[in-house]
Amino acid sequence: EIVLTQSPGTLSLSPGEGATLSCRASQTVVNNYLAWFQQKPGQAPRLLIYNVFIRATGIPDRFSGSGSGTDFTLSISRLEPEDFAVYYCHQSAYSPLTFGGGTKVEIK
Amino acid sequence: EVKLVESGGGLVQPGGSLRLSCAASGFTFSSHWMIWVRQIAGRGLEWVATIKQDGSEEYYVDSVKGRFKIARDNAKNSLYLQMNRLRAEDTAVYYCARGAGWLPDSWGQGILVAVS
Repeated sequence: EIVLTQSPGTLSLSPGEGATLSCRASQTVVNNYLAWFQQKPGQAPRLLIYNVFIRATGIPDRFSGSGSGTDFTLSISRLEPEDFAVYYCHQSAYSPLTFGGGTKVEIK
Repeated sequence: EVKLVESGGGLVQPGGSLRLSCAASGFTFSSHWMIWVRQIAGRGLEWVATIKQDGSEEYYVDSVKGRFKIARDNAKNSLYLQMNRLRAEDTAVYYCARGAGWLPDSWGQGILVAVS
């Protein structure tokens, strides 16, 4: 099983600031099958990024993904009020599919 | 617009059974893998099961193998999760998701299953 470790657990930032979220895999994620989801309270997760860096339909370009192998990053260039949420990384390269524990981006 | 609507959740006693349904619309259901993911209150996400387009392949997380069964009816654009021998640790919000391959790219709003 691929274990995904996200850091930090919580990020306290102000609107307009940039955010960098990390996801480390316990083994190489082949085919770049690494995605990022955003979840707001009471809502289902929403796909932001897939295949490491491809933005899903309708996702603004302030969201970007990078990385390879075992180390991946989600960057948010300028936080908007609607970006404060929990973010999960996810690998779909191997069964069992796994998710990271999440990073909460909260308003400072 | 992709729409996934779960139903069938509720309160059940330990050892009991429940069948979740997911009604899909807005896309060609028979062309996609389909996936169930669950989330324990206030905690992270856990993949539960995946089924191939024609139902010929099924995959499960170890903790539900032998107790849960994923199924689909392409004629009805519906996905199911039959949950037997339920345990307290199965209490969660269950999400139905469309697969882009194995990636859950669109999600339903979720349905609560409480085992107590």
